[in-house]
Amino acid sequence: GQQLNQSPQSMFIQEGEDVSMNCTSSSIFNTWLWYKQEPGEGPVLLIALYKAGELTSNGRLTAQFGITRKDSFLNISASIPSDVGIYFCAGQLKAAGNKLTFGGGTRVLVKP
Amino acid sequence: DVKVTQSSRYLVKRTGEKVFLECVQDMDHENMFWYRQDPGLGLRLIYFSYDVKMKEKGDIPEGYSVSREKKERFSLILESASTNQTSMYLCASRLGGAGNEQFFGPGTRLTVL
Repeated sequence: GQQLNQSPQSMFIQEGEDVSMNCTSSSIFNTWLWYKQEPGEGPVLLIALYKAGELTSNGRLTAQFGITRKDSFLNISASIPSDVGIYFCAGQLKAAGNKLTFGGGTRVLVKP
Repeated sequence: DVKVTQSSRYLVKRTGEKVFLECVQDMDHENMFWYRQDPGLGLRLIYFSYDVKMKEKGDIPEGYSVSREKKERFSLILESASTNQTSMYLCASRLGGAGNEQFFGPGTRLTVL
């Protein structure tokens, strides 16, 4: 199946910092999605991107659908402690029956 | 609110046991999915179902089977559990058609000893 490379695998945040994570793929997707998973819960959709070049915000979160349709990034501005969790990118392809392919996840932790 | 529930949050089973993981959704969604989540590998699709009685293999179906006898319920079956099936299992559902959001259950952490 398709592979999504998500980086970084983990990161520490300090309150107030901006953080960024990204996903790259060897092939194109029609839709890019970003999910957040908190401990003991399933992933919850944060942002969905439907067009190449699209830039979408949801509060302090901003995500972009890369022009090549093979990558996407997620920015969190002015991070707060409740931003901790695992963030997943996912690509969706119509030709593959709209199944989702997930990245490996970025674990966001608070700096001690 | 969409609710996807999974029968157990934690499960411990022995090698060779038959294991049933149950998932129920209350929003009349046509599509249902089973994933396993492992550190660094993200979520990998095991099986999915577009509607009642229908099932399709995902990316890693080996060692698993599924059952969808009713629209709201999608069961994942491990015929003979093995230690490499120790993982977090996530169920999801979605309204049929393109562009609709998948809603996830809270997950079942399965340990096979």
